[in-house]
Amino acid sequence: GQQLNQSPQSMFIQEGEDVSMNCTSSSIFNTWLWYKQDPGEGPVLLIALYKAGELTSNGRLTAQFGITRKDSFLNISASIPSDVGIYFCAGLEGSQGNLIFGKGTKLSVKP
Amino acid sequence: DTEVTQTPKHLVMGMTNKKSLKCEQHMGHRAMYWYKQKAKKPPELMFVYSYEKLSINESVPSRFSPECPNSSLLNLHLHALQPEDSALYLCASSQRDMENIQYFGAGTRLSVL
Repeated sequence: GQQLNQSPQSMFIQEGEDVSMNCTSSSIFNTWLWYKQDPGEGPVLLIALYKAGELTSNGRLTAQFGITRKDSFLNISASIPSDVGIYFCAGLEGSQGNLIFGKGTKLSVKP
Repeated sequence: DTEVTQTPKHLVMGMTNKKSLKCEQHMGHRAMYWYKQKAKKPPELMFVYSYEKLSINESVPSRFSPECPNSSLLNLHLHALQPEDSALYLCASSQRDMENIQYFGAGTRLSVL
């Protein structure tokens, strides 16, 4: 089956630093999604990417859909303590209908 | 409004109990999903309902029984669960079918004793 390789697995950064995480796949996806999950809560959608090469921003967050449709990255600029959580990439593949998740990147921000 | 509401927030049950998890959305979405999430793992798909019909069952044990009474509601009936079924159960919905973005509820934290 399809798998997403998400890295890094965890990050420990200082408040104010920029953060970058990425996902790669052996298969093509039609849509890439980035979610954030706080402890004990459900994943919250951050950014959705629909077209190869698309670069989309949401406040301090920027994500890009790779040209080959097999990868995506998420950048967070000027991190703040509330950015703490687990970030998941997910690929949406229409024919199967499944949302394929990466294993997550756990972000810790030191004030 | 992208709200998916799940109740209860927390549930503790014994292995002989019967309980139900509920999920509700009023966004007019026609696809609804149940996921199971263990600690430090991504969500795992259990069931998909599309237009109120079960379209995907990811080989889930029969002690989990989904039900979609109408387009806004999704239930998950639990019976004779095992301690290893303890997890965060997430409901999600999407606009039309599996090709659309899924919005998640806050989940039900289930503990089976």
